[in-house]
Amino acid sequence: DADVTQTPRNRITKTGKRIMLECSQTKGHDRMYWYRQDPGLGLRLIYYSFDVKDINKGEISDGYSVSRQAQAKFSLSLESAIPNQTALYFCATSETGTGHTGELFFGEGSRLTVL
Amino acid sequence: AQTVTQSQPEMSVQEAETVTLSCTYDTSESNYYLFWYKQPPSRQMILVIRQEAYKQQNATENRFSVNFQKAAKSFSLKISDSQLGDTAMYFCAFTVGNAGNMLTFGGGTRLMVKP
Repeated sequence: DADVTQTPRNRITKTGKRIMLECSQTKGHDRMYWYRQDPGLGLRLIYYSFDVKDINKGEISDGYSVSRQAQAKFSLSLESAIPNQTALYFCATSETGTGHTGELFFGEGSRLTVL
Repeated sequence: AQTVTQSQPEMSVQEAETVTLSCTYDTSESNYYLFWYKQPPSRQMILVIRQEAYKQQNATENRFSVNFQKAAKSFSLKISDSQLGDTAMYFCAFTVGNAGNMLTFGGGTRLMVKP
């Protein structure tokens, strides 16, 4: 089983619908992230969380919200989806502490299409 | 703000040949990490190689090596003896040492290895 699991893997929805993307991890990492991938733009940070009580906006948070339900769970919500939120979404985790490598560990991605 | 630029949207190489992917970044920080991630058609993000800015020696992982030019803010990836399985999107990424592992990504280079 994957260390970082995202559900759903693929989703097609309509404009105005509420969508939740879920992420769970078994790596025991405190830090979790949501990124969005668009062609030519690479990955851009939406939200990040350093622990259960810490939530921070990233570069492109407008139109999104998040919830850190537990150390292992971090969900991303689109309250009212719009077509330009069509993208590939990644959840990621990372270590903390003096020995951390800076590396992110990614889930398998959730492809969202908003019609 | 930090930026990462990959100037080659697409590249191709013959199997068994060598190819170099370019990446430049912009930062005023002195302590940072650089990464190359590979994204095959399965869309999984896989860490290829990592470089700490304070290390002068270029990182190497089997057929993958980097040319890290700190003064020029350049971080290119060389793939030797290219294999069909190297066909993927490659992303260069950067994080400041105290930035909580929030990576900034380039736009990506799509590499096609031809038989």
